[in-house]
Amino acid sequence: DTGVSQNPRHKITKRGQNVTFRCDPISEHNRLYWYRQTLGQGPEFLTYFQNEAQLEKSRLLSDRFSAERPKGSFSTLEIQRTEQGDSAMYLCASSSGQPGTEAFFGQGTRLTVV
Amino acid sequence: GENVEQHPSTLSVQEGDSAVIKCTYSDSASNYFPWYKQELGKGPQLIIDIRSNVGEKKDQRIAVTLNKTAKHFSLHITETQPEDSAVYFCAATYTNAGKSTFGDGTTLTVKP
Repeated sequence: DTGVSQNPRHKITKRGQNVTFRCDPISEHNRLYWYRQTLGQGPEFLTYFQNEAQLEKSRLLSDRFSAERPKGSFSTLEIQRTEQGDSAMYLCASSSGQPGTEAFFGQGTRLTVV
Repeated sequence: GENVEQHPSTLSVQEGDSAVIKCTYSDSASNYFPWYKQELGKGPQLIIDIRSNVGEKKDQRIAVTLNKTAKHFSLHITETQPEDSAVYFCAATYTNAGKSTFGDGTTLTVKP
């Protein structure tokens, strides 16, 4: 197991286009998290899954954002009608879900909306 | 919701000196406090963590202290090395809720 994998690493898109990112968590980790990080800031929570169930969504997650985790394995984060303000690093993390256990982060997907 | 404040935002030390980064949190329900190191272009990597039933934890040159009453926790790095240069984030987590709230980061520069 090589850790949390995110694809693509970089994405440049035109404003108004839709984009989809993929995250493959560490196998057997039942919790999966999405965060967004802008320059000079810490990661901000977007949403998280316990297996295939999406348990919480941040107010940051507007209706243009949707996340799925079919079958409780990999997850996708889709942004529709992208805006320049969506430009950020999108980070995925996974954990075993046991209390007090660490979350392992992927390398992130850098989105640039032009 | 939880709010985490982190200080300082930048820290420059000479190689071999110690570095201290401090964080405060607002939600007394938070019970798990990880520290992450992030290098340019990479995702955050956990370097040490502490649970709310522990006051101090040490791992080689890195230590973390937690004061639950005052709601603050600190990262201590001794004998700093140039490879310690990175951005460091603290976070507060209520493990039942799952998500972590992060500070805004401290850019540590260790001068050789």
